[in-house]
Amino acid sequence: AQSVAQPEDQVNVAEGNPLTVKCTYSVSGNPYLFWYVQYPNRGLQFLLKYITGDNLVKGSYGFEAEFNKSQTSFHLKKPSALVSDSALYFCAVRIYGNNRLAFGKGNQVVVIP
Amino acid sequence: NAGVTQTPKFRILKIGQSMTLQCAQDMNHNYMYWYRQDPGMGLKLIYYSVGAGITDKGEVPNGYNVSRSTTEDFPLRLELAAPSQTSVYFCASSYEDGATNEKLFFGSGTQLSVL
Repeated sequence: AQSVAQPEDQVNVAEGNPLTVKCTYSVSGNPYLFWYVQYPNRGLQFLLKYITGDNLVKGSYGFEAEFNKSQTSFHLKKPSALVSDSALYFCAVRIYGNNRLAFGKGNQVVVIP
Repeated sequence: NAGVTQTPKFRILKIGQSMTLQCAQDMNHNYMYWYRQDPGMGLKLIYYSVGAGITDKGEVPNGYNVSRSTTEDFPLRLELAAPSQTSVYFCASSYEDGATNEKLFFGSGTQLSVL
């Protein structure tokens, strides 16, 4: 069965510093990978996805993620964090032809002014 | 467009009561989903539907029922509420044609407490 792991519960970063949120996945076929963000008292919002092609995927709000097949990872990155980036971030994986999206437990990101 | 609309936003139930969480989308999406979110556990899929009249179980379907009589609506029914069903519930929808693997659109959630 497909699954994702987000090893850190919380990521603290100073405003202006690079932000990285880690995600590793486990699937038996080719993975489709997603990142979603959740702001307080809101539903999840799509950030970006990797389906195929270029390993570096660019998404909303200046975020990008790099697909690494050998390390089975899909880390989310932002070169310069903003206070408004403080939120809960979820990695998710799906296999082509499978209707189910498996979410990780989420990472709380705190950007310190 | 309103997107995905969930009602109510908050609800407190007593053990053994029943209720229906409403979900509607106006994007003509064929796929709809119900997730529950528990702290530190991520999102767990309860039920999903690939079109009107078709539903299927997710990871944690016990204690819940769904129906999909129209493309727009996907209500979630709790028949005998239990404290273990205290959670935040999210409805989501997407358009899937078997090739594009599109993103999910989420509602703002229903916070349910069973006491």
